[in-house]
Amino acid sequence: GENVEQHPSTLSVQEGDSAVIKCTYSDSASNYFPWYKQELGKRPQLIIDIRSNVGEKKDQRIAVTLNKTAKHFSLHITETQPEDSAVYFCAASRGQAGTALIFGKGTTLSVSS
Amino acid sequence: GAVVSQHPSWVICKSGTSVKIECRSLDFQATTMFWYRQFPKQSLMLMATSNEGSKATYEQGVEKDKFLINHASLTLSTLTVTSAHPEDSSFYICSARKTGNLEKLFFGSGTQLSVL
Repeated sequence: GENVEQHPSTLSVQEGDSAVIKCTYSDSASNYFPWYKQELGKRPQLIIDIRSNVGEKKDQRIAVTLNKTAKHFSLHITETQPEDSAVYFCAASRGQAGTALIFGKGTTLSVSS
Repeated sequence: GAVVSQHPSWVICKSGTSVKIECRSLDFQATTMFWYRQFPKQSLMLMATSNEGSKATYEQGVEKDKFLINHASLTLSTLTVTSAHPEDSSFYICSARKTGNLEKLFFGSGTQLSVL
């Protein structure tokens, strides 16, 4: 079945550094790729998303890139801050958008000041 | 906005009892809702897709008779864990998609179930 692999599982950076999280997906029909941030005990919050007809999208310090040929997409956080510390999940739509999202295993990001 | 309310936020029950969890979209209609399960420090595992007015679609390995899903209106889906056992203890979280919006999922706040 469809699968989403996410790396690394943990990531520690110094405040101000950049952080990159990578995901690969198996379903070639997937065309929607969101990223969620989940703080301890809280619900996942959508932070950025990208559709398969776009290669890159940026929103302030956060950017996502997509390589549909290689079936991988990445989250880039620049100028990290302690409040960026959380678990980040990538996801891919099962088939086309409008269906369920399949999540990666998550990356625990720790930003130290 | 797009607010999804989930209740209760936590529940403790005895083994063998049933627990109902409600998921409501407060300010939008949701034809489709999804139920996920999350173990500590792990990912969100899709359990089932809930469609308003029709039977839920369960993922492989999820017992439909144990996890009863009802989506009777465009703003409410319920998950009932029947005859709960300690291994059912987990964080259950629902999500909803606005009718007509094929992409963004909005999550409820989750329910921590502990079965004694």
